Amino acid sequence: DAGVIQSPRHEVTEMGQEVTLRCKPISGHDYLFWYRQTMMRGLELLIYFNNNVPIDDSGMPEDRFSAKMPNASFSTLKIQPSEPRDSAVYFCASSRDRGDSPLHFGNGTRLTVT
Amino acid sequence: AQSVTQPDIHITVSEGASLELRCNYSYGATPYLFWYVQSPGQGLQLLLKYFSGDTLVQGIKGFEAEFKRSQSSFNLRKPSVHWSDAAEYFCAVDWGTGFQKLVFGTGTRLLVSP
Repeated sequence: DAGVIQSPRHEVTEMGQEVTLRCKPISGHDYLFWYRQTMMRGLELLIYFNNNVPIDDSGMPEDRFSAKMPNASFSTLKIQPSEPRDSAVYFCASSRDRGDSPLHFGNGTRLTVT
Repeated sequence: AQSVTQPDIHITVSEGASLELRCNYSYGATPYLFWYVQSPGQGLQLLLKYFSGDTLVQGIKGFEAEFKRSQSSFNLRKPSVHWSDAAEYFCAVDWGTGFQKLVFGTGTRLLVSP
């Protein structure tokens, strides 16, 4: 089990550029979550998918953020255009559709927007 | 809104001393309770969880936590801290979704002194 894989580990971009973060969940997991971690706001749930379908995107900050899950093994989080306040660590996590199944986190993508 | 409170931002403990990290949550449906640990540059790792039954739960790395419904608390404990326990600890609550839609506390950073 390779765990949840996120890429890139670090991303530095200029304000106004498009940023795409990628996630490969653990095989067989039904749920995929995108979280954002900042010093000021801690860990915030942005959006989650069940069986590749977005269920709740109420945590997405604004229309500049979008997420897709075209298949069970891949998801993207896109920011267009990026702004300095988007700088954060973005985590992807996945879990099974079972109450006792733990949430497995990737190692995160540290995004810096200058 | 449902919330999770970790009142201590930082805690310093001497190696070998006991540890207790506090967590309180707002009232809601029967909660599922979790503690996660995050080492620098890493994702979050599950330490332990409470779903039902015995209110004292054992986790990995010698940690335990006790659920006290009357106090809406789920404090994390360890009888003897090791230097390798230095990390950030997050309490998280799932208010009955059963699939790990978690609300996280703001975290407590544990420092271990020699």
